[in-house]
Amino acid sequence: TQLLEQSPQFLSIQEGENLTVYCNSSSVFSSLQWYRQEPGEGPVLLVTVVTGGEVKKLKRLTFQFGDARKDSSLHITAAQPGDTGLYLCAGAWNNDMRFGAGTRLTVKP
Amino acid sequence: SAVISQKPSRDICQRGTSLTIQCQVDSQVTMMFWYRQQPGQSLTLIATANQGSEATYESGFVIDKFPISRPNLTFSTLTVSNMSPEDSSIYLCSAYTQGGLHFGNGTRLTVT
Repeated sequence: TQLLEQSPQFLSIQEGENLTVYCNSSSVFSSLQWYRQEPGEGPVLLVTVVTGGEVKKLKRLTFQFGDARKDSSLHITAAQPGDTGLYLCAGAWNNDMRFGAGTRLTVKP
Repeated sequence: SAVISQKPSRDICQRGTSLTIQCQVDSQVTMMFWYRQQPGQSLTLIATANQGSEATYESGFVIDKFPISRPNLTFSTLTVSNMSPEDSSIYLCSAYTQGGLHFGNGTRLTVT
């Protein structure tokens, strides 16, 4: 059983469209992180959110941490083919990090 | 951000043999982790390796099968022992620093 539930599992969209990926849990996390992974490489940290209700922006990516620190969302505006990859959320849990199942995003030109 | 060097990047091994994966961090870190990942899927934590203490293993992973060393603050190894085809996977080491995990590029292991 995943501690963190991510949705959708797969997402295929056209260039220029917007999308949102969700990460939900019944547990409270001290912090939550989003990673992107491309084939043959390790995950790369995109952002860490710590405070309930926190919103962070990274160019076309907007990350939000839920008020209760149990959920988070990643919104991408005007997706580009370079955004294609596996997006993973991870929560700090008992001195280690637990990952969601991931969302595989494909952006078609 | 921290740079994690992991080797080998890939290997093909025969069942019954063992493989040791090395992970070098370019800065001193307290917390290091070893994960396993099936291609295209999420990461499963194998163990936490903190310097100066025994590695802490997750349910389903045992020290006899996956012995870990952490001799100093910049280096760790994971050994996959007595391998079987079910051990074929990508093994990733990571270090917690600067507010997040930083990963090596993984070791793609195939057991025949």
